[in-house]
Amino acid sequence: DSGVTQTPKHLITATGQRVTLRCSPRSGDLSVYWYQQSLDQGLQFLIQYYNGEERAKGNILERFSAQQFPDLHSELNLSSLELGDSALYFCASSDQTGGGEKLFFGSGTQLSVL
Amino acid sequence: AQKITQTQPGMFVQEKEAVTLDCTYDTSDPSYGLFWYKQPSSGEMIFLIYQGSYDQQNATEGRYSLNFQKARKSANLVISASQLGDSAMYFCAMRLVSNTGKLIFGQGTTLQVKP
Repeated sequence: DSGVTQTPKHLITATGQRVTLRCSPRSGDLSVYWYQQSLDQGLQFLIQYYNGEERAKGNILERFSAQQFPDLHSELNLSSLELGDSALYFCASSDQTGGGEKLFFGSGTQLSVL
Repeated sequence: AQKITQTQPGMFVQEKEAVTLDCTYDTSDPSYGLFWYKQPSSGEMIFLIYQGSYDQQNATEGRYSLNFQKARKSANLVISASQLGDSAMYFCAMRLVSNTGKLIFGQGTTLQVKP
């Protein structure tokens, strides 16, 4: 168990809908990262937060947004969903913003857009 | 641009034998970290091993060791005494110290351990 909790584990929804994925980092970790894993794109970095502040943006669509709350949990909001958004979404956490420390991943949320 | 390349889409190994999974990386930044993660069929990403660019010795974690050849820009994962539970997808990843800390992943290698 990595200590990173993601809910829900599975999500099935329809095109055009909006969903929220939730992540609780390991105790004490201030940094949260979101990744998307799809068969055609592999693992892609979406966005990073550190202690409530956005630190880096990757290949995140404008239809997607995220935030990190004062209790350090994070939410990834996906709106106007398309079939191509179907993927496994990972949250990871670490205690710093960069460097050699490990990122610990949650077990992911499998999103299926029908 | 930073890039990780894993050239072996799939590998087979006999149980109890050792196996090497290849990883090459590309960066002009002198400070970076290299990671290996395991993703079993259940989907979670499990951290295996880490090597810093300034580390003098190759990293080891139990049955996992990282064969770090800086001049060749390679960071191969060696799994000794393979077990059936090692069957999974393995990802090599890089992180620049100068960057925010995001990981750049390779495409992965699927390892199947045969009994």
